[in-house]
Amino acid sequence: QSVLTQPPSASGTPGQRVTISCSGSRSNIGRNSVNWYRQLPGTAPKLLIHSDYQRPSGVPDRFSGSKSGTSASLAISGLRSEDEADYYCAAWDDSLNGHVVFGGGTKLSVL
Amino acid sequence: QVQLVQSGAEVKEPGASTKISCKASGYTFNDYFLHWVRQAPGQGLEWMGWINPNSGDTNYAQKFQGRVTMTRDTSISTAYMELGSLRSDDTAFYYCARRYSSGWRNWFDSWGQGTLVTVSS
Repeated sequence: QSVLTQPPSASGTPGQRVTISCSGSRSNIGRNSVNWYRQLPGTAPKLLIHSDYQRPSGVPDRFSGSKSGTSASLAISGLRSEDEADYYCAAWDDSLNGHVVFGGGTKLSVL
Repeated sequence: QVQLVQSGAEVKEPGASTKISCKASGYTFNDYFLHWVRQAPGQGLEWMGWINPNSGDTNYAQKFQGRVTMTRDTSISTAYMELGSLRSDDTAFYYCARRYSSGWRNWFDSWGQGTLVTVSS
């Protein structure tokens, strides 16, 4: 059972906009920034969004993050087939001595 | 550029230990905490703990307390994660990840390629 809650799956057709939610609590999302990682099949996770909404260099602006209270969201617009991957949210947790907590991951399918 | 290169896959018997290395390059090793994250086959990411390469201080997830030891060798810019008393449910990919900080915000900006540890008799 993951500390952060994500839907196990999401889907969309090419060109559509899809959002993935991430729900936590005051000690993690409520007090710390949220990061999103994308994991393509057979590869290591890769940073997609940090500090709630910041995109690292090289990440297209089709990807955007937001946060409100104890929940966060990742939005992907102009969906492409190569966006098919697993997406994880993560945050530091103050109630766990600064440990890191992850969401269970959302498998995105592009139909 | 920042690179984290991990040691190769291992097969271990139940009860044994595994020690995985993570060699850093492209940055000053002492300046960034290294974390370890694992992923069982078909499952999500699970945080294990971190090591401060500068001081050697560590902080482990409660689940792994007593079974995990994180160390480093600054002379070769390498961190290690040793997990003992292995069980079949320890079969997983193990990743090292570099923590980047900006003020109070933290994230993992670089990951190793992963090391598969298979626990089987």
